[in-house]
Amino acid sequence: DAGVTQSPTHLIKTRGQQVTLRCSPKSGHDTVSWYQQALGQGPQFIFQYYEEEERQRGNFPDRFSGHQFPNYSSELNVNALLLGDSALYLCASSFRQTYEQYFGPGTRLTVT
Amino acid sequence: GDSVTQMEGPVTLSEEAFLTINCTYTATGYPSLFWYVQYPGEGLQLLLKATKADDKGSNKGFEATYRKETTSFHLEKGSVQVSDSAVYFCALSEEGRRDDKIIFGKGTRLHILP
Repeated sequence: DAGVTQSPTHLIKTRGQQVTLRCSPKSGHDTVSWYQQALGQGPQFIFQYYEEEERQRGNFPDRFSGHQFPNYSSELNVNALLLGDSALYLCASSFRQTYEQYFGPGTRLTVT
Repeated sequence: GDSVTQMEGPVTLSEEAFLTINCTYTATGYPSLFWYVQYPGEGLQLLLKATKADDKGSNKGFEATYRKETTSFHLEKGSVQVSDSAVYFCALSEEGRRDDKIIFGKGTRLHILP
């Protein structure tokens, strides 16, 4: 049973560029949440997708957007990258928004 | 809003020492409480969980008890090993609601010396 997978593993972008990160949830899961983990900090909730809609959003600007596909996979898009967007981006999946979340290994984004 | 506060690290112990990492929380409802562990180069893994007051979560020799009266969920292990070196995160979620985002503490880095 595959767990949560994320791609790419590492990414280097230049300030002002746009980036797309991808997540495939654990088999049987239908809800995907995204978190940003800055160096030396705990993960911060960005948003959650369920039934292809954004259901909850944390304190992140509109430059952060997402999408969920019919197969429950998800993308996180960040526009107009800032140096401060450099972080580990974690995807977590769960079932019906009400169960335990399983985390993927993350995508390390570096903005230069 | 809901929040989690945990002791700052790094914490350095010798192998076989007793471990306590303190965690307190603030929540308006009745959250579930978690300890997650992040080993070097790996993703977050759920270590243990407790969903109601006085529950004790346990796994791999680690334990934590949900104390509603003191709003605490301290992590303990009787005898640590070098392989326990990692970053530990205390967290909470209002599980059972549609809004089940997880709120994490800042993490405590643990170093175990052989």
